[in-house]
Amino acid sequence: QSVLTQPPSVSEAPRQRVTISCSGSNSNIGNNAVSWYQHLPGKAPKLLIYYDDLRPSGISDRFSGSKSGTSASLAISGLQSEDEADYYCAAWDDRLIAYVFGPGTKVTVL
Amino acid sequence: QVQLQESGPRLLRPSETLSLRCTVSGASIRSNSWSWIRQPPGKGLEWIGYISNRGATNFNPSLKSRVTISVDSSRRQFSLRLTSVIAADTAVYYCARDMPTRSDYFDPSGNFVPSGFDYWGQGTLVTVPP
Repeated sequence: QSVLTQPPSVSEAPRQRVTISCSGSNSNIGNNAVSWYQHLPGKAPKLLIYYDDLRPSGISDRFSGSKSGTSASLAISGLQSEDEADYYCAAWDDRLIAYVFGPGTKVTVL
Repeated sequence: QVQLQESGPRLLRPSETLSLRCTVSGASIRSNSWSWIRQPPGKGLEWIGYISNRGATNFNPSLKSRVTISVDSSRRQFSLRLTSVIAADTAVYYCARDMPTRSDYFDPSGNFVPSGFDYWGQGTLVTVPP
């Protein structure tokens, strides 16, 4: 059972916008930076967002991250079929002394 | 171009020791921090542990008593050792680099805090039959 909470799945039509939430506590999201990963089956996870809202070089600006208090969000705009994947939030937890992943959210493009 | 490649035995018996190596190219193994992450079949990602660029280690509390992570700079490798494996240790194991940032961040207890994993190995499935 993860200390971070994500919805199991979200779905939206192509070209629309979808938002994935990640809820935690003061010991993780509230006090540490959040990262987001995209994971396609059979592939290595890809870092989409770090330090709450920064994109690594080469990541499309269709992906954006935000954080408020103990919750964070990943938004995907202009949804494309290639965005169908599992998305994980993650953060350091000061109390557990561990890097924790959320349970993952499956994004389906209708 | 940074590349990571996992290697090691893929089939173990219960109670044996899992030993994986990650060979790094395109990046300094000494000046970066490295982690191991795994994904059991049908489940989510689980962080196993890291070794920081200062040689500090931290491990998932659920695995701490069985895990060791070390670096062999001469071979450009870092390694994972997990003792007394059980069927629940069956997973795809990934090695990954912590994204270098302008300055390292530490939690209030002085533990290195990863910023995010920007390069990953392709993953290797390790199976432990029941």
